[in-house]
Order: sequence, then C-alpha cells, then structure tokens
Amino acid sequence: DSGVTQTPKHLITATGQRVTLRCSPRSGDLSVYWYQQSLDQGLQFLIQYYNGEERAKGNILERFSAQQFPDLHSELNLSSLELGDSALYFCASSPSGNEQFFGPGTRLTVL
Amino acid sequence: QQQVKQSPQSLIVQKGGISIINCAYENTAFDYFPWYQQFPGKGPALLIAIRPDVSEKKEGRFTISFNKSAKQFSLHIMDSQPGDSATYFCAARGAAGNKLTFGGGTRVLVKP
Repeated sequence: DSGVTQTPKHLITATGQRVTLRCSPRSGDLSVYWYQQSLDQGLQFLIQYYNGEERAKGNILERFSAQQFPDLHSELNLSSLELGDSALYFCASSPSGNEQFFGPGTRLTVL
Repeated sequence: QQQVKQSPQSLIVQKGGISIINCAYENTAFDYFPWYQQFPGKGPALLIAIRPDVSEKKEGRFTISFNKSAKQFSLHIMDSQPGDSATYFCAARGAAGNKLTFGGGTRVLVKP
C-alpha cells in the first residue's frame, strides 16, 4: 500500500459525459501527479500540482483539467468523454520530486 | 516521440534464473531513473532507482546497471521467483519538471 488513495476504483460512463476522479496523496506529500495508462500509449504524464499550484503539464487534452485543493487532495476532471479516453488513470504523490508513489488507479470505461 | 525505449516487451524465465530488462534514453537532461513493478489491477510500485553519477545500485535481488555514455540502463532480477511475475517499467525524470517519462513496459513471467 503506497498510502495514495484514489476514488472511484471503477467508473463506467457514456460518450459526451463528464467525470471527476479524486486523489488523496500520502500524508505530507505536496506534489501530486496524474498519469494515464492505456494499451496503445502506455503510461503518460498528464499534469503535476505542487501545493495547490500547477507545476507542469504533459500530454493533457483541453477537455481535461485538474486542481489541487488546500487540503492537498486533487481532482482530475474529464469532460466531453470519447471512447478513446477509456484508460487507467493514476495519481502519484511525492515528498521531494524524486520518488513518486502511485495510487491504485481509477479504471475509466467510456461506452 | 518515445524518449525512453524499453526491451524486451516480454520475457519468460525459469525460477532461479536471471531476468534482464534494458532501457535506452535520448535526453541527456534526465537525472533520475526509477524502475516500477506493476501487478494486474494495481498501480506501479517503486522498486529501485538510480542517479546518473552511479554505475550500479543493488537492493536485494534487484540491481540497476547504468551506462551514462551509452545512455542505457538495465534492471537485473537475480534468482527470479514466480512472485516476480509482473510488468516492469523503466522511467526517467527531468527535461522540464519532475514528470516521469516511462518506457513501454516488459511483461515478465517466471515459470516454477
């Protein structure tokens, strides 16, 4: 158990819908990262937050957005969902930018 | 553009054997190289990591070898056990922020 929690574990929704994925980092970790894992693209970095502020952006679509709240939990919002958005979404947290500890993931299925 | 190339895609090894996974990177700005182990339905778990000023790091049965001039690094799993059957990812950090760039993964199967 990494200490990073993610909810929900599974999410099934329809195309065009909007969903919110939640992540609670390990106690004391200020950095939160979001990654997408799909069969064709592998593990890809989406976005990083540090203590409430956006720090880095990766291959994140404009339909996706994220935020980190004062209690350091983070949410990833995915809108106008397409079939191709079906994937595993992982959150990771880090105390220092070196080790990143991954949560169990949210499996998103878009029908 | 795949900045970290991992091989092989899959590997079968007998119990007690050595599993070797190789990764190559392009960007010399990378400064930290972790390996992750992922079991089906779980998130990646940090296994071992190395910095480019070190040529080898060993933790238990897991060893990273690092060749800075060749821009290559590898994971050796000694005395492989059936419980080591998982997918292994190499990664590299750096090049604008602390994001990790992952290799494509290697599925390892250890036969009893």
